[in-house]
Amino acid sequence: QKEVEQNSGPLSVPEGAIASLNCTYSDRGSQSFFWYRQYSGKSPELIMFIYSNGDKEDGRFTAQLNKASQYVSLLIRDSQPSDSATYLCAVNRNQGGKLIFGQGTELSVKP
Amino acid sequence: DAGVTQSPTHLIKTRGQQVTLRCSPKSGHDTVSWYQQALGQGPQFIFQYYEEEERQRGNFPDRFSGHQFPNYSSELNVNALLLGDSALYLCASSFWQDRSETQYFGPGTRLLVL
Repeated sequence: QKEVEQNSGPLSVPEGAIASLNCTYSDRGSQSFFWYRQYSGKSPELIMFIYSNGDKEDGRFTAQLNKASQYVSLLIRDSQPSDSATYLCAVNRNQGGKLIFGQGTELSVKP
Repeated sequence: DAGVTQSPTHLIKTRGQQVTLRCSPKSGHDTVSWYQQALGQGPQFIFQYYEEEERQRGNFPDRFSGHQFPNYSSELNVNALLLGDSALYLCASSFWQDRSETQYFGPGTRLLVL
């Protein structure tokens, strides 16, 4: 079992729709959870982080964390073609240090 | 405010050679982490430096070594290069605030080993 699992996709959504990206993790002791966006040929860019159970909203993005189910998700509202990228979920066992990444989910937003 | 910078952007080496990659952290950041990202995969943690010491290390062989300087910049050295070392090498800088650390990535160095 991988430590952090994501559906590799591609996930295709029409412009204006809600994109839902999911991530599960195996270490129940994980403390910090991050979503990064990576455009093709570029480096990862931080979108959001979440530490507590529940929802955290930032503009069009909402991160959701359920520690009991070991599940973290990212919702992108009003998806735009510019949101087309690979989304990486990362988990930290402590509050700092090593980030463990999933393999990423490729999102394609069609005009 | 300059972000994380890395040099060089691209590098081509042959098997058995040695390589040094460089990273300057974002202003105000004192911690540097290095990751290796193979094509189609998520980044894999190599190690993290704080106060010029290796604080944490991932599952990489001793061929991978690093250093952090007093100005917080860092180097990653890889000896005896293998074909499998071809990857995007990412540097991330961070600092602790409240109870958390958030890592911000540089543009990366793309290494090709022939």
